[in-house]
Amino acid sequence: EPEVTQTPSHQVTQMGQEVILRCVPISNHLYFYWYRQILGQKVEFLVSFYNNEISEKSEIFDDQFSVERPDGSNFTLKIRSTKLEDSAMYFCASSENRHNEQFFGPGTRLTVL
Amino acid sequence: AQSVTQLGSHVSVSEGALVLLRCNYSSSVPPYLFWYVQYPNQGLQLLLKYTSAATLVKGINGFEAEFKKSETSFHLTKPSAHMSDAAEYFCAVRTDSGGGADGLTFGKGTHLIIQP
Repeated sequence: EPEVTQTPSHQVTQMGQEVILRCVPISNHLYFYWYRQILGQKVEFLVSFYNNEISEKSEIFDDQFSVERPDGSNFTLKIRSTKLEDSAMYFCASSENRHNEQFFGPGTRLTVL
Repeated sequence: AQSVTQLGSHVSVSEGALVLLRCNYSSSVPPYLFWYVQYPNQGLQLLLKYTSAATLVKGINGFEAEFKKSETSFHLTKPSAHMSDAAEYFCAVRTDSGGGADGLTFGKGTHLIIQP
């Protein structure tokens, strides 16, 4: 069964460093999403991406965040200058179309020291 | 803007007992509603979804949920709990804004504990 994959599973970085989180969505899906879950809190929407551009973004997704689909398979989330409060689990998701369910990857745990 | 409220951060039931996890939503337009389950150290797995078809929705692992517009609720139930149901459950809403891809708004989650 096709699934969304994410790498790395765990990323540790120093405050102020740039990180890139990688996702491979399900191959025939057209809509892509990033969410984050701070420890003990709810899952929060960051951004959605369709047709090679951002479709919707939340207030959390400020200028330090960017997304890219550099090739036909990867979907990346870049955090330009990490802060302590960026420590969270980051989930990638994809869907076949905007009305179908979103399939989630296993997440990348980001720890900012 | 839409929102989701899940009553009870922790719910404990005995094995074999009824499971009831509550979810209320607010949305200015007809919503799409979802229940996801998260097992420890894993991602989110879809249990079931409501997309304006039948109000009683059946999902995987014996779970079902009923959409009640008058109560703005989408409670999750399972007639008989199993030890393997112990997990975190999230209710989520997506509204059809008519634009592009819409993100999901999640509730805070309910941790389901199954007592032997």
